[in-house]
Amino acid sequence: DVKVTQSSRYLVKRTGEKVFLECVQDMDHENMFWYRQDPGLGLRLIYFSYDVKMKEKGDIPEGYSVSREKKERFSLILESASTNQTSMYLCASSLAGGEVYSNQPQHFGDGTRLSIL
Amino acid sequence: AQSVSQHNHHVILSEAASLELGCNYSYGGTVNLFWYVQYPGQHLQLLLKYFSGDPLVKGIKGFEAEFIKSKFSFNLRKPSVQWSDTAEYFCAVMRGNTGFQKLVFGTGTRLLVSP
Repeated sequence: DVKVTQSSRYLVKRTGEKVFLECVQDMDHENMFWYRQDPGLGLRLIYFSYDVKMKEKGDIPEGYSVSREKKERFSLILESASTNQTSMYLCASSLAGGEVYSNQPQHFGDGTRLSIL
Repeated sequence: AQSVSQHNHHVILSEAASLELGCNYSYGGTVNLFWYVQYPGQHLQLLLKYFSGDPLVKGIKGFEAEFIKSKFSFNLRKPSVQWSDTAEYFCAVMRGNTGFQKLVFGTGTRLLVSP
Protein backbone atom coordinates (compact mmCIF):
# COMPACT_ATOMS: atom_id res chain seq x y z
CA ASP A 1 0.00 0.00 0.00
CA VAL A 2 1.25 3.47 -0.85
CA LYS A 3 2.45 5.47 2.11
CA VAL A 4 2.82 9.23 1.97
CA THR A 5 4.20 10.58 5.20
CA GLN A 6 4.12 14.22 6.24
CA SER A 7 6.53 15.10 9.00
CA SER A 8 4.09 16.94 11.27
CA ARG A 9 0.35 16.72 11.86
CA TYR A 10 0.23 20.08 13.63
CA LEU A 11 2.62 23.00 13.48
CA VAL A 12 2.51 26.47 15.00
CA LYS A 13 4.86 29.17 13.75
CA ARG A 14 5.17 32.95 13.96
CA THR A 15 4.87 35.47 11.16
CA GLY A 16 8.13 36.06 9.36
CA GLU A 17 9.55 32.65 10.19
CA LYS A 18 10.87 30.34 7.47
CA VAL A 19 8.81 27.16 7.62
CA PHE A 20 9.64 23.77 6.16
CA LEU A 21 7.02 21.09 5.55
CA GLU A 22 8.41 17.70 4.64
CA CYS A 23 6.83 14.86 2.70
CA VAL A 24 8.17 11.40 1.95
CA GLN A 25 6.62 8.67 -0.21
CA ASP A 26 7.69 5.06 -0.30
CA MET A 27 6.39 3.89 -3.68
CA ASP A 28 9.00 5.29 -6.04
CA HIS A 29 6.46 7.68 -7.56
CA GLU A 30 7.77 10.20 -10.05
CA ASN A 31 5.15 12.88 -9.37
CA MET A 32 4.72 14.73 -6.09
CA PHE A 33 2.36 17.56 -5.20
CA TRP A 34 1.66 20.12 -2.51
CA TYR A 35 -1.88 21.38 -1.97
CA ARG A 36 -3.51 23.57 0.59
CA GLN A 37 -7.03 22.79 1.77
CA ASP A 38 -9.28 25.56 3.03
CA PRO A 39 -12.98 25.37 3.97
CA GLY A 40 -15.19 26.21 1.00
CA LEU A 41 -12.24 26.33 -1.39
CA GLY A 42 -11.39 22.65 -1.71
CA LEU A 43 -7.83 21.69 -2.61
CA ARG A 44 -5.65 24.15 -4.45
CA LEU A 45 -2.36 23.14 -6.04
CA ILE A 46 0.67 25.07 -4.83
CA TYR A 47 3.56 23.32 -6.58
CA PHE A 48 4.27 19.97 -8.15
CA SER A 49 7.29 18.03 -9.29
CA TYR A 50 7.50 15.34 -11.94
CA ASP A 51 11.15 14.44 -11.39
CA VAL A 52 14.06 15.03 -9.08
CA LYS A 53 15.13 18.67 -9.09
CA MET A 54 12.20 19.55 -11.34
CA LYS A 55 9.38 21.76 -10.10
CA GLU A 56 6.42 23.52 -11.60
CA LYS A 57 4.15 26.20 -10.20
CA GLY A 58 0.60 25.26 -9.47
CA ASP A 59 -2.33 27.63 -9.12
CA ILE A 60 -1.25 29.48 -5.96
CA PRO A 61 2.57 29.45 -5.73
CA GLU A 62 3.01 32.95 -4.29
CA GLY A 63 4.82 32.93 -0.96
CA TYR A 64 5.96 29.33 -1.35
CA SER A 65 8.89 27.45 -2.80
CA VAL A 66 9.72 23.75 -3.03
CA SER A 67 12.68 21.45 -3.10
CA ARG A 68 13.07 17.97 -4.50
CA GLU A 69 16.61 16.72 -4.06
CA LYS A 70 15.63 13.06 -3.82
CA LYS A 71 12.86 11.18 -5.58
CA GLU A 72 11.07 10.18 -2.41
CA ARG A 73 11.12 13.56 -0.69
CA PHE A 74 9.33 16.80 -1.56
CA SER A 75 9.62 19.81 0.72
CA LEU A 76 7.39 22.87 0.84
CA ILE A 77 8.99 26.08 2.09
CA LEU A 78 7.25 29.18 3.35
CA GLU A 79 9.96 31.77 2.91
CA SER A 80 8.45 34.28 5.35
CA ALA A 81 5.29 32.93 6.93
CA SER A 82 2.21 35.12 7.03
CA THR A 83 -1.13 34.67 8.79
CA ASN A 84 -2.93 34.06 5.49
CA GLN A 85 -0.87 30.91 5.09
CA THR A 86 -2.63 29.33 8.05
CA SER A 87 -4.15 26.24 6.46
CA MET A 88 -4.13 22.48 6.07
CA TYR A 89 -1.33 21.39 3.76
CA LEU A 90 -1.58 18.13 1.87
CA CYS A 91 1.16 16.26 0.08
CA ALA A 92 0.39 13.71 -2.64
CA SER A 93 2.27 11.45 -5.02
CA SER A 94 1.47 9.51 -8.16
CA LEU A 95 3.06 7.38 -10.83
CA ALA A 96 4.14 9.24 -13.90
CA GLY A 97 2.10 7.33 -16.44
CA GLY A 98 4.41 8.41 -19.21
CA GLU A 99 3.38 9.52 -22.66
CA VAL A 100 0.58 7.00 -23.04
CA TYR A 101 -1.29 7.36 -19.79
CA SER A 102 -1.21 10.32 -17.48
CA ASN A 103 -4.30 9.38 -15.54
CA GLN A 104 -2.76 7.87 -12.43
CA PRO A 105 -4.58 8.47 -9.13
CA GLN A 106 -2.84 10.58 -6.52
CA HIS A 107 -2.16 9.22 -3.04
CA PHE A 108 -2.36 11.63 -0.14
CA GLY A 109 -0.65 12.09 3.19
CA ASP A 110 -2.50 12.84 6.44
CA GLY A 111 -1.90 16.55 6.13
CA THR A 112 -0.17 19.19 8.24
CA ARG A 113 -2.35 21.72 9.97
CA LEU A 114 -0.22 24.86 10.06
CA SER A 115 -1.08 27.86 12.18
CA ILE A 116 0.79 31.11 11.72
CA LEU A 117 0.47 33.46 14.69
CA ALA B 1 -9.75 27.69 -17.26
CA GLN B 2 -10.94 24.27 -16.29
CA SER B 3 -13.26 24.23 -13.27
CA VAL B 4 -15.10 21.66 -11.21
CA SER B 5 -18.38 22.49 -9.49
CA GLN B 6 -19.90 20.70 -6.57
CA HIS B 7 -23.20 22.39 -5.98
CA ASN B 8 -24.01 20.90 -2.59
CA HIS B 9 -21.67 22.19 0.10
CA HIS B 10 -23.43 20.47 2.98
CA VAL B 11 -25.76 17.47 2.89
CA ILE B 12 -27.52 15.94 5.88
CA LEU B 13 -29.18 12.54 5.56
CA SER B 14 -30.60 9.89 7.81
CA GLU B 15 -29.22 6.38 7.71
CA ALA B 16 -30.62 4.25 4.88
CA ALA B 17 -31.44 7.32 2.77
CA SER B 18 -30.19 7.44 -0.80
CA LEU B 19 -27.34 9.77 -1.73
CA GLU B 20 -26.53 11.68 -4.86
CA LEU B 21 -23.76 14.29 -4.91
CA GLY B 22 -23.46 16.44 -7.98
CA CYS B 23 -20.25 17.18 -9.88
CA ASN B 24 -19.96 19.18 -13.09
CA TYR B 25 -16.84 20.22 -14.95
CA SER B 26 -16.16 22.75 -17.65
CA TYR B 27 -13.61 21.10 -19.93
CA GLY B 28 -14.94 19.80 -23.26
CA GLY B 29 -12.23 17.35 -24.27
CA THR B 30 -11.17 13.97 -22.94
CA VAL B 31 -11.28 13.85 -19.16
CA ASN B 32 -10.40 11.49 -16.37
CA LEU B 33 -12.69 11.73 -13.38
CA PHE B 34 -12.22 10.93 -9.72
CA TRP B 35 -14.10 11.00 -6.45
CA TYR B 36 -12.06 11.22 -3.26
CA VAL B 37 -13.35 10.93 0.29
CA GLN B 38 -11.89 12.37 3.49
CA TYR B 39 -13.20 10.80 6.68
CA PRO B 40 -12.81 12.88 9.86
CA GLY B 41 -9.16 13.00 10.87
CA GLN B 42 -8.01 10.86 7.96
CA HIS B 43 -6.23 11.43 4.68
CA LEU B 44 -7.95 11.75 1.33
CA GLN B 45 -8.53 8.41 -0.27
CA LEU B 46 -9.71 7.41 -3.71
CA LEU B 47 -13.33 6.31 -3.82
CA LEU B 48 -13.58 5.59 -7.54
CA LYS B 49 -12.28 6.71 -10.91
CA TYR B 50 -13.36 6.86 -14.53
CA PHE B 51 -10.87 6.70 -17.39
CA SER B 52 -12.83 5.18 -20.27
CA GLY B 53 -15.34 2.46 -21.10
CA ASP B 54 -18.51 1.83 -19.11
CA PRO B 55 -19.72 5.22 -17.87
CA LEU B 56 -21.14 3.66 -14.72
CA VAL B 57 -18.24 3.16 -12.35
CA LYS B 58 -18.38 1.21 -9.13
CA GLY B 59 -16.10 2.08 -6.25
CA ILE B 60 -15.43 1.03 -2.71
CA LYS B 61 -18.02 0.86 0.08
CA GLY B 62 -21.00 0.61 -2.25
CA PHE B 63 -20.46 3.92 -4.03
CA GLU B 64 -20.92 4.38 -7.74
CA ALA B 65 -20.73 7.28 -10.16
CA GLU B 66 -22.07 7.87 -13.63
CA PHE B 67 -20.22 9.82 -16.30
CA ILE B 68 -22.67 11.67 -18.56
CA LYS B 69 -20.58 13.30 -21.24
CA SER B 70 -23.41 15.39 -22.69
CA LYS B 71 -24.04 16.94 -19.29
CA PHE B 72 -20.36 17.27 -18.28
CA SER B 73 -21.32 15.49 -15.08
CA PHE B 74 -19.95 12.77 -12.83
CA ASN B 75 -22.41 12.40 -9.98
CA LEU B 76 -21.71 10.17 -7.02
CA ARG B 77 -24.44 7.86 -5.73
CA LYS B 78 -25.10 5.37 -2.96
CA PRO B 79 -28.47 3.65 -2.55
CA SER B 80 -28.39 3.49 1.26
CA VAL B 81 -25.97 5.54 3.36
CA GLN B 82 -24.57 4.57 6.72
CA TRP B 83 -23.42 6.67 9.66
CA SER B 84 -19.84 5.73 8.73
CA ASP B 85 -20.23 7.56 5.40
CA THR B 86 -20.04 10.87 7.25
CA ALA B 87 -17.12 12.57 5.50
CA GLU B 88 -16.17 15.23 3.00
CA TYR B 89 -16.34 14.21 -0.64
CA PHE B 90 -14.30 15.78 -3.42
CA CYS B 91 -14.80 15.46 -7.14
CA ALA B 92 -11.68 15.91 -9.25
CA VAL B 93 -10.99 16.14 -12.98
CA MET B 94 -7.83 15.52 -14.93
CA ARG B 95 -7.80 16.74 -18.50
CA GLY B 96 -6.74 14.49 -21.33
CA ASN B 97 -4.91 11.19 -21.24
CA THR B 98 -1.41 11.96 -22.45
CA GLY B 99 1.43 13.86 -20.94
CA PHE B 100 1.26 15.42 -17.52
CA GLN B 101 -2.02 16.96 -16.47
CA LYS B 102 -2.99 18.60 -13.21
CA LEU B 103 -5.83 17.34 -11.08
CA VAL B 104 -8.46 20.01 -10.48
CA PHE B 105 -10.63 19.59 -7.41
CA GLY B 106 -14.10 20.78 -6.61
CA THR B 107 -14.75 22.64 -3.38
CA GLY B 108 -16.05 19.54 -1.62
CA THR B 109 -19.35 18.39 -0.10
CA ARG B 110 -19.64 17.69 3.60
CA LEU B 111 -21.98 14.78 4.24
CA LEU B 112 -23.44 14.19 7.68
CA VAL B 113 -25.37 10.99 8.20
CA SER B 114 -27.44 10.89 11.34
CA PRO B 115 -28.07 7.51 12.97
